[in-house]
Amino acid sequence: NAGVMQNPRHLVRRRGQEARLRCSPMKGHSHVYWYRQLPEEGLKFMVYLQKENIIDESGMPKERFSAEFPKEGPSILRIQQVVRGDSAAYFCASSPVGGANNEQFFGPGTRLTVL
Amino acid sequence: QQQVKQSPQSLIVQKGGISIINCAYENTAFDYFPWYQQFPGKGPALLIAIRPDVSEKKEGRFTISFNKSAKQFSLHIMDSQPGDSATYFCAANDRSGTYKYIFGTGTRLKVLA
Repeated sequence: NAGVMQNPRHLVRRRGQEARLRCSPMKGHSHVYWYRQLPEEGLKFMVYLQKENIIDESGMPKERFSAEFPKEGPSILRIQQVVRGDSAAYFCASSPVGGANNEQFFGPGTRLTVL
Repeated sequence: QQQVKQSPQSLIVQKGGISIINCAYENTAFDYFPWYQQFPGKGPALLIAIRPDVSEKKEGRFTISFNKSAKQFSLHIMDSQPGDSATYFCAANDRSGTYKYIFGTGTRLKVLA
């Protein structure tokens, strides 16, 4: 059973470009969480999605950031017009259920560098 | 109230020693407390987790101690090995909202051979 997959593993963008990060949850998991980790810091929650629905986007900046988890295919975190401050590691985690028993399994992350 | 405070920031332990990492929280709506281990360039991996209805949970060399009244919990790594050298994060799951995880700031552990 493959774990959570993320691609690309490394992404370099120039300021103003778009970054598109993909996350394929574990088989049978329908809940996806995105977290951002700045260098030398802990993980900060960004957004929680179920298939075709955004459940909680309270940690995601209101501008330039968006996320989706379509019925078919991976979850996508999209950052438009990237700035240097967006440079970070972005992790997604998946869970088979939501709620109190939502043990989360993390992917290897995408390391975004904005030049 | 949404914070989980973790200490120490870094820790050096001799091989065979006990590593202890502490976390504290304020929000009584937190009801699930996992610990994650992260190696450089990798994603966090679940190590062990506890719910507040028990005071201790042990899995191999890893033990979580939980003090509900003090709102504190800690990770103990017995017989620490160089392969345990990694960054450890505590987290809490907020049942008053959407159960997203709130992470501590991490402890960088180095175990000397």
